[in-house]
Amino acid sequence: NAGVTQTPKFQVLKTGQSMTLQCAQDMNHEYMSWYRQDPGMGLRLIHYSVGAGITDQGEVPNGYNVSRSTTEDFPLRLLSAAPSQTSVYFCASSFSGATGNTIYFGEGSWLTVV
Amino acid sequence: DAKTTQPPSMDCAEGRAANLPCNHSTISGNEYVYWYRQIHSQGPQYIIHGLKNNETNEMASLIITEDRKSSTLILPHATLRDTAVYYCIVPSGSARQLTFGSGTQLTVLP
Repeated sequence: NAGVTQTPKFQVLKTGQSMTLQCAQDMNHEYMSWYRQDPGMGLRLIHYSVGAGITDQGEVPNGYNVSRSTTEDFPLRLLSAAPSQTSVYFCASSFSGATGNTIYFGEGSWLTVV
Repeated sequence: DAKTTQPPSMDCAEGRAANLPCNHSTISGNEYVYWYRQIHSQGPQYIIHGLKNNETNEMASLIITEDRKSSTLILPHATLRDTAVYYCIVPSGSARQLTFGSGTQLTVLP
């Protein structure tokens, strides 16, 4: 059981390039989400999905695209990278329990846009 | 999410109990209190959550006041590896979308 796996761990992009951050979970969780964390700040929700084929925007969705074709995978696409998207990105997944929800986070993907 | 208030920083001696307070005076009757922590440069880690009763697991204990307006996370025997930012979160709705505030920077001193 690997939990939530993110790749790549580190990436440098040039302004205007596009790329995809991969996220996979092996816990059969229906809910997955992407957060970004800027230096010295808390996490902010980018996009989330409540199940395969269903996605929705979070607090800071501009410049990012997501899709959810399977329960396991939830990739985050940067359409045209900008320096303002330099950040650490965390993928998360959770399930609904009888006594609340526990969210499991990946180890993060460090992205630098130059 | 209900607003939470935490001290920005706390120190604790290694081996002693760390008691981290959180105020959540606007909490609703069916909202849970969650605690997560983030060790430097790592993904946030779930610690514990509760509704009204005190809770304990292998990591920590959670004490919720009877009026539910505040809670305390207790790490019974803090170690250097417990140095982290601790977040108290009271999410609304399904509790799957967390709002992370500034949290409390806990530093465990040798």
